Amino acid sequence: EVQLVQSGAEVKKPGESLKISCKGSGYSFSNYWVAWVRQMAGKGLEWMGSIYPGDSDTRYSPSFQGQVTISADKFINTAHLQWSSLEASDTAIYFCARHADTGSVGDWGQGTLVTVSS
Amino acid sequence: DIVMTQSPDSLAVSLGERATINCRSSQSLLYSANNKNYLAWYQQKPGQPPKLLIYWASTRESGVPDRFSGSGSGTDFTLTISTLQAEDVAVYYCQQYFSTPLLTFGPGTKVDVK
Repeated sequence: EVQLVQSGAEVKKPGESLKISCKGSGYSFSNYWVAWVRQMAGKGLEWMGSIYPGDSDTRYSPSFQGQVTISADKFINTAHLQWSSLEASDTAIYFCARHADTGSVGDWGQGTLVTVSS
Repeated sequence: DIVMTQSPDSLAVSLGERATINCRSSQSLLYSANNKNYLAWYQQKPGQPPKLLIYWASTRESGVPDRFSGSGSGTDFTLTISTLQAEDVAVYYCQQYFSTPLLTFGPGTKVDVK
């Protein structure tokens, strides 16, 4: 069974850094793109970027390029999303998800709530 | 970049009635080499991650009830719930993966019971 398990909720202050994680199991982690998707409160889904853990090839949405860093460690089957300096506007739920063979996104993590508040 | 739009923003349908959601892309999602449309539909219920319902515009994901169907080609697509059930209350998103791994979601359509 494919599973994506994300790290727990975070509460941070503006200007702080943060790295959240997504651990895959039940499949060959290196061989499937992993996407990160943002959902702000009451809003829709926004694709932030995707990484191919096998060679760390990473693609970003223009809206998020330079704002976040996506990385992966194929040896521990884990992808990461990180910020160097959080802003209040980063408050959202962040989902990781596995691209299916078709290219659509078939498997999702449970989501990580990030709250940024002074 | 491929831009996705959906209509309506929300709709309310009586139980047992049909719900229809439209999705349009700014460029064709039909890949001529394999004649497939790179369009998926997702359902998201409150407090849950999205769930893949349909891919290739009309192929139901395993386990998805057959009251859900997808149609369309090129730039215009439709998700139909043939007989709305109470458990279908959710927000529905279309998504293009023509430019995978670059993805774009539509803004979503909220479906409620009238």
